[in-house]
Amino acid sequence: DAKTTQPPSMDCAEGRAANLPCNHSTISGNEYVYWYRQIHSQGPQYIIHGLKNNETNEMASLIITEDRKSSTLILPHATLRDTAVYYCIVRLDRDDKIIFGKGTRLHILP
Amino acid sequence: DAGVIQSPRHEVTEMGQEVTLRCKLISGHNSLFWYRQTMMRGLELLIYFNNNVPIDDSGMPEDRFSAKMPNASFSTLKIQPSEPRDSAVYFCASSLYRQIFQLMNTEAFFGQGTRLTVV
Repeated sequence: DAKTTQPPSMDCAEGRAANLPCNHSTISGNEYVYWYRQIHSQGPQYIIHGLKNNETNEMASLIITEDRKSSTLILPHATLRDTAVYYCIVRLDRDDKIIFGKGTRLHILP
Repeated sequence: DAGVIQSPRHEVTEMGQEVTLRCKLISGHNSLFWYRQTMMRGLELLIYFNNNVPIDDSGMPEDRFSAKMPNASFSTLKIQPSEPRDSAVYFCASSLYRQIFQLMNTEAFFGQGTRLTVV
C-alpha cells in the first residue's frame, strides 16, 4: 500500500506557482520522498527526491517539513505542459520498489 | 541514450493467445521493473529484477504471467494464455542500483508503455 496521501485533483493558473501537498505521517528515518509525474499516455517521469533538506532542480522544488510528515512539490511557473498526474512516493533508497498511489491530477488553466 | 525502449507500442490479441512484451534497459542500468496500469487499479508493480535476478514477484497476478531477463539489457513479460482482463498499459522501467560505500538507488526511468488489448 502507498504510504502517502494526496488530494485527488488541483487547479493552477498558467504562469503561477503550483504547490502540490503530500502527507506521509508514517515515514521512517531512512525513507526518502520521491515525486514522479505522468503526462497523459506517457510513462511516469522522475521529478525530484529528498530526505530531510529542501531540494531544487531544473524542474521543481521540494519542501519537506522539519518533522518529515509532509512535503510540498513546487512548480515555480506552471505551463500547460505541466498538466499531469503527480505522484508522491515514500521509498527506502536501498529498496528497489517504487509503489505508486493515486496521485494528484493537476490541471493548468490558461 | 535512447532511454528505456518497449515493444510493441500497441498489441491487440485474441483471448487465449500468448503475448510477449519486450523491454530494453538503459545502458549500464541493473534494476528492471514491470508495471501494469489500468483505470481501476492505477499503476501496479508486477515484478522487479536486480542484476538479472528476480527480487520480488509478489505483484504478478497469477501463473499465466512470467517475466525473464535473458541478459543484462533486455527483459520480456509473457502472458499465456491471455484474457480480456489483462487489457492494460504495461510499463517497464530501469534504474541503477549502486553498492559503492552504501546501497543506493537512482531514479527509475520509464518506457513509453505497451497498450495491450485482449478481445
